[in-house]
Order: sequence, then structure tokens, then C-alpha cells
Amino acid sequence: DAGVIQSPRHEVTEMGQEVTLRCKPISGHNSLFWYRQTMMRGLELLIYFNNNVPIDDSGMPEDRFSAKMPNASFSTLKIQPSEPRDSAVYFCASRRALREKLFFGSGTQLSVL
Amino acid sequence: DQQVKQNSPSLSVQEGRISILNCDYTNSMFDYFLWYKKYPAEGPTFLISISSIKDKNEDGRFTVFLNKSAKHLSLHIVPSQPGDSAVYFCAAKEETSGSRLTFGEGTQLTVNP
Repeated sequence: DAGVIQSPRHEVTEMGQEVTLRCKPISGHNSLFWYRQTMMRGLELLIYFNNNVPIDDSGMPEDRFSAKMPNASFSTLKIQPSEPRDSAVYFCASRRALREKLFFGSGTQLSVL
Repeated sequence: DQQVKQNSPSLSVQEGRISILNCDYTNSMFDYFLWYKKYPAEGPTFLISISSIKDKNEDGRFTVFLNKSAKHLSLHIVPSQPGDSAVYFCAAKEETSGSRLTFGEGTQLTVNP
């Protein structure tokens, strides 16, 4: 298995532009998580899905952020419009069951100029 | 509100010596704790975990200690090796009530040859 796959690896965009981050979880995993890593706050949970259904989106910073999981093998995190303070590394992770560990993707380094 | 805190952003240790990484938490409902290791340009990977019914868990060179009364856990690496140089994240969750895994800010460990 290739693991959790995220794209793009790097994204540089200008303030105000729409950004879409993509994630393919490990096949057979039924929970998917989006995290954001910053120096000040470490890894923050933005949102997670169980069986494609959003369960907890309390970590989503504001309405500019949205996430979807149209099927078990694909999820997107969208920022519209993007702002410089959104610059961070965004990680997607998946898990097979409640008591099992998370597997992370390699992350998307987002820079908003 | 940072429920999991790693107060040391960095730690430098000589090869062969012990590395001790510390983590404090505030939520008394947390009952399962994990450490993840992250190399540059990669996603975090699971290292070791401990349930609140135990106060110590050992896996090779890695040992995690849990002090529930102090709401404190630590990761000991002995002997430390240059390949251990990475960012270490402490994480906690309520094992039975939810999927949410709360991470600390991370500690950059550097093991010098």
C-alpha cells in the first residue's frame, strides 16, 4: 500500500486565490483527518470524517475553509479566499478503526503570498 | 486553549546519552497517550503509546512514562542515536468517547555524533 497520498506537495499562491488540497487515504481506512502544522500550535485538528461523514469540524478556522469527502478514497480541503496567515503545512491522516493509530501523508506545504 | 503542551521547542543531546522529552496535558478525560516522530518533508509516524491504566511502556530504546496525578508524560530514548534527530509530537485522546487526537507543539530533538 502506498500510504496516505497528498497533493500537491507544495503550493505557492497569492492572497485571495482559491487553494484546494487533496488526499487519498489508505484503502480500507474509514476515518480521515485534516491537520495543520504551525510553529506556535503544533498539529491542530481541522476536521475529521468517519465513513465519509464529517464528524467534528470545530477546528476549521473560519468559513473560508471547507472540506469534503465525496467517497471513501478521496477528500479535499479548500481555502477560499486564501490569506497569508493560512501558510502552514497541511497533513491528511487516516485510520482503520477507533483504537488504531493514525497514518499521515507527507503533507502539503502551503505558502500564501 | 492548548490542552497538550510541549514546553521545550528544542533539545540537543550527545549520541549515546539519554534524551528526555516532556509533555503536559490539562484535560483529565484523556486516557490514551501517543508519541509521534516526524522527519523533515515527511508526515508524522507513530512511535509508542501508553494507556492511562499503566505508568510505563517500553519498546526497545524508547520508554514512555505517565504520571496521571501530575498530568505529565515523558519519552525517554536511550541510548540516543543521530538517526533519532526529528520533531517529536506528544498526543492524547479520550479512548472510548471519540476519535479526536490532540497534539502538542512538538519538540525538535537533535542528537549530535
